[in-house]
Amino acid sequence: AQTVTQSQPEMSVQEAETVTLSCTYDTSESNYYLFWYKQPPSRQMILVIRQEAYKQQNATENRFSVNFQKAAKSFSLKISDSQLGDTAMYFCAFMKHANDEKLTFGTGTRLTIIP
Amino acid sequence: NAGVTQTPKFQVLKTGQSMTLQCAQDMNHNSMYWYRQDPGMGLRLIYYSASEGTTDKGEVPNGYNVSRLNKREFSLRLESAAPSQTSVYFCASSDRDRVFQEQFFGPGTRLTVL
Repeated sequence: AQTVTQSQPEMSVQEAETVTLSCTYDTSESNYYLFWYKQPPSRQMILVIRQEAYKQQNATENRFSVNFQKAAKSFSLKISDSQLGDTAMYFCAFMKHANDEKLTFGTGTRLTIIP
Repeated sequence: NAGVTQTPKFQVLKTGQSMTLQCAQDMNHNSMYWYRQDPGMGLRLIYYSASEGTTDKGEVPNGYNVSRLNKREFSLRLESAAPSQTSVYFCASSDRDRVFQEQFFGPGTRLTVL
């Protein structure tokens, strides 16, 4: 079974600064998918960024980027120029392969952006 | 497009009562899912449905039943609610015909069992 670990229950950072959220996972699969989901106070789960394990290039979406280290089974999220609207719970998630259809989530990191 | 909708948004039950959580999506997705979210535990999959007429157990199916009524709707039923089922429940859907299956989530239902 796959496991996803987020070792930082809470983090805070000043507005406009850069913050990195950590995620490690355990799997014997070679081709899989990794995700970061954001859950603001409204509770709505929103996909932030995704990474396919077979791609060496780290995914980037505007101010959000990942550092994917396949050998180390690490998948961290970097938020640059943080904004107040980034305040949320962030969940790392794993999908075994494209047809597996099941997401395994980490326990989340509560991120607070301080004005 | 409303995306994924869930009803109700909040519900309080007494132990032993039954209820059905409703979920509908208007994105013509094949796959639908039910998750529960408990403090400090992230989201855990209860049941999922890869297509109309099929359902499969996830990580925590005990105490729940599901019905994939049609392609749009996927309901979750608690036959005899227990305090351990107090949680926030999320429905999600995805298009399994795509190479990459992003899951789209509903706004959640907060359920309290007294």
